Amino acid sequence: DAKTTQPNSMESNEEEPVHLPCNHSTISGTDYIHWYRQLPSQGPEYVIHGLTSNVNNRMASLAIAEDRKSSTLILHRATLRDAAVYYCILRFNFGNEKLTFGTGTRLTIIP
Amino acid sequence: DSGVTQTPKHLITATGQRVTLRCSPRSGDLSVYWYQQSLDQGLQFLIQYYNGEERAKGNILERFSAQQFPDLHSELNLSSLELGDSALYFCASSGSLSTGELFFGEGSRLTVL
Repeated sequence: DAKTTQPNSMESNEEEPVHLPCNHSTISGTDYIHWYRQLPSQGPEYVIHGLTSNVNNRMASLAIAEDRKSSTLILHRATLRDAAVYYCILRFNFGNEKLTFGTGTRLTIIP
Repeated sequence: DSGVTQTPKHLITATGQRVTLRCSPRSGDLSVYWYQQSLDQGLQFLIQYYNGEERAKGNILERFSAQQFPDLHSELNLSSLELGDSALYFCASSGSLSTGELFFGEGSRLTVL
């Protein structure tokens, strides 16, 4: 599996935007970029995914670099409930392939 | 609520024992995945089943086995338990071939004493 690199931890103030970076320089043309997050004492949950174009949903936005070697998850207005570990994962998106989790970024929200 | 149900939520047992963890996937999801999360190893993929057949295998010990039944629920069997097997065990399911989003259960916390 292609690897991703994320900062171990980040802090952000409540009600401000948060930009979580991810580097994936060895991404292949068939890899989709997935983001999951894990809240304390819960299972991981899907946040967003994309291939080439920027994506938006009710939880977040995903900005993908033109060369696809990096991406940024954007939380537009962080709340205390967004404190979690965020995982950036590359995955072949067809055929129910497994997810390979790295260490992720632990996001702390400061009230 | 992800729709994935795992039982039991908590389990305490002794070394050398055997336990079975159960997972009911979301209605209609054909794929089931098992993951182990311990403090020092993070989320580790163990095994995946698709419609009753083993699909992919990760770092699953020989003492561990799993199966998926015709009604699509899955069981993870852990035997000859060791202290190091203490961890959270997550089950996930997926069904959509277009998005492949995984839905995770709340996990089963296993403590081996």
